[in-house]
Amino acid sequence: EVQLVESGGGLVQPGGSLRLSCAASGFTFTTYWMSWVRQAPGKGLEWVAKIKEDGSEKYYLDSVKGRFTISRDDAKNSLYLQMNGLRVEDTAVYYCARIRQQLLFDPWGQGTLVTVSS
Amino acid sequence: DIVMTQSPDSLAVSLGERATINCKSSQSVLYLSNNKNYLGWFQQKPGQPPKLLIYWASTRESGVPDRFSGSGSGTDFTLTISSLQAEDVAVYYCQQYYSTPPTFGQGTKVEIK
Repeated sequence: EVQLVESGGGLVQPGGSLRLSCAASGFTFTTYWMSWVRQAPGKGLEWVAKIKEDGSEKYYLDSVKGRFTISRDDAKNSLYLQMNGLRVEDTAVYYCARIRQQLLFDPWGQGTLVTVSS
Repeated sequence: DIVMTQSPDSLAVSLGERATINCKSSQSVLYLSNNKNYLGWFQQKPGQPPKLLIYWASTRESGVPDRFSGSGSGTDFTLTISSLQAEDVAVYYCQQYYSTPPTFGQGTKVEIK
């Protein structure tokens, strides 16, 4: 069974940092692009970042460029999102998702909540 | 960026009746070289992550009940629930995966009348 489990969320002050992790299992992690997608409380879905199978290509939502960094450790079957310079508007549930068919997200993890507040 | 617009924002349907959700993209998501529409539909129930229902605009994901169907091409798409069941109460999202950034519609909330 394919499984994605996120961790690392929490409460942080504006300007602070957090590192999210996603542990993957049940599939060959090294053969898939991976992504982070977020959902602000009561709002819709917003793609954040994606990374190629070998980590050689990374793409970001414009509003997080220069602040967030996506990475992966294929030896640990893990995906990461380093978030620096956090803003109140970054408050959301962050989902880890596997990418198939170019840019389709399936499946998704259960998500981890990031709250940016003073 | 491709803007995805869903209609309506919410709808209430009686059990056993049809529910129809529309999704319009600001530019075509039909890739001419393979004649595929890069459009997916997701279902999100409260407290759960989104679940893929439909991809390539009309291909049902394995295990998804056949009361769910997708149609459309180019810029206009529809998700139809042919006979609404209680377990279908959820928010439904369309997503284009034609280009980066991938974008979602704002969601349509389906409730029981």
